[in-house]
Amino acid sequence: DAGVIQSPRHEVTEMGQEVTLRCKPISGHNSLFWYRQTMMRGLELLIYFNNNVPIDDSGMPEDRFSAKMPNASFSTLKIQPSEPRDSAVYFCASSPGQGIDEQFFGPGTRLTVL
Amino acid sequence: GDSVTQMEGPVTLSEEAFLTINCTYTATGYPSLFWYVQYPGEGLQLLLKATKADDKGSNKGFEATYRKETTSFHLEKGSVQVSDSAVYFCALLYNQGGKLIFGQGTELSVKP
Repeated sequence: DAGVIQSPRHEVTEMGQEVTLRCKPISGHNSLFWYRQTMMRGLELLIYFNNNVPIDDSGMPEDRFSAKMPNASFSTLKIQPSEPRDSAVYFCASSPGQGIDEQFFGPGTRLTVL
Repeated sequence: GDSVTQMEGPVTLSEEAFLTINCTYTATGYPSLFWYVQYPGEGLQLLLKATKADDKGSNKGFEATYRKETTSFHLEKGSVQVSDSAVYFCALLYNQGGKLIFGQGTELSVKP
């Protein structure tokens, strides 16, 4: 199994631009999670899906952030417009069951907003 | 609210030294507890877990015991190696939900 796949691995953009991060979970996993990691705030859960349905998006910082999961094998996290304070590493993770099992993390996308 | 507190890093040890990284938690129910490890430039990997009180999780020489009376889940290893250098995260998860709540992470540096 290839594990959780994220793209791009690195993204550098200018303030105000739209950014789209992509994630392919492990095949057969039912839950998908988006996290953000910064030095100041550590690891934060932004949103998670179960069977493609958003279950908890209370961690999404503001309306500039949106996430979708159109099918079981693909999810996107979009930031529009981006701001310098959005610079962070964004991780996607998936798990086999209804969020009660181990979460498998992708390698992350390092986002820099200038 | 629920939270996880870890000892601050960085922790610097010599090879073959004994390691302890403290982790305590605050929770209203009976969560499962995890240790994840993050090597430089990589995502997090599950190191070990325990799902109920007095359970001991172990993997790759690391151990942690779920202590309900002290709300702790300290990570230990008897003899660390240079390859153990990484950031270690303690986390809790409720079985009824999908949220992993992480501690702030503890950086471990092992010198030869």
